[in-house]
Amino acid sequence: EAGVTQFPSHSVIEKGQTVTLRCDPISGHDNLYWYRRVMGKEIKFLLHFVKESKQDESGMPNNRFLAERTGGTYSTLKVQPAELEDSGVYFCASSQGSWGLGYTFGSGTRLTVV
Amino acid sequence: AQSVTQLGSHVSVSEGALVLLRCNYSSSVPPYLFWYVQYPNQGLQLLLKYTSAATLVKGINGFEAEFKKSETSFHLTKPSAHMSDAAEYFCAVSESGGSYIPTFGRGTSLIVHP
Repeated sequence: EAGVTQFPSHSVIEKGQTVTLRCDPISGHDNLYWYRRVMGKEIKFLLHFVKESKQDESGMPNNRFLAERTGGTYSTLKVQPAELEDSGVYFCASSQGSWGLGYTFGSGTRLTVV
Repeated sequence: AQSVTQLGSHVSVSEGALVLLRCNYSSSVPPYLFWYVQYPNQGLQLLLKYTSAATLVKGINGFEAEFKKSETSFHLTKPSAHMSDAAEYFCAVSESGGSYIPTFGRGTSLIVHP
């Protein structure tokens, strides 16, 4: 079974540019989550999709962040325009149903805004 | 509201020594608790979870954790450290019956000396 795939693995962009991160969940997993970790801090929840619908987006920092999940498959997270404080590691996770089983995480995208 | 405190951003042990990583949580309802591990350049991997069954939970790679309600703790232990255990460890809590989105701690880097 393929795991959760994220790309790019690293991205360095200038302040004001746009970046799009992609996450491919495990096939058949309806639940998809985005998290972010700023250097040395907690892993913070951004949002949760159930299939193509946003179930909870309470963690999205501001309207510069836009997440989509096309047809309930892969998801993208766009940051436009990027700011310095957006730097961090963005993780995607997916689960089949019961969250209690624990998520399967991707290896993350390290975003650096300079 | 729920929160997690991981004591010590870095823990250093010698190979063969006991590993103890501390996690204290706060939750207004009975919690579900998780430990995740992140090896370099990899995603977070679920080590073990507590979901209101046995209070002593055994996980992968010889790790275990004990849920202690009176101490609001869920410390992670391993009797004998191996060089391959060097990684970052994250404790997480979610609230049973409520918002299931887990809250993560800041992580503890385990350093294993030969």
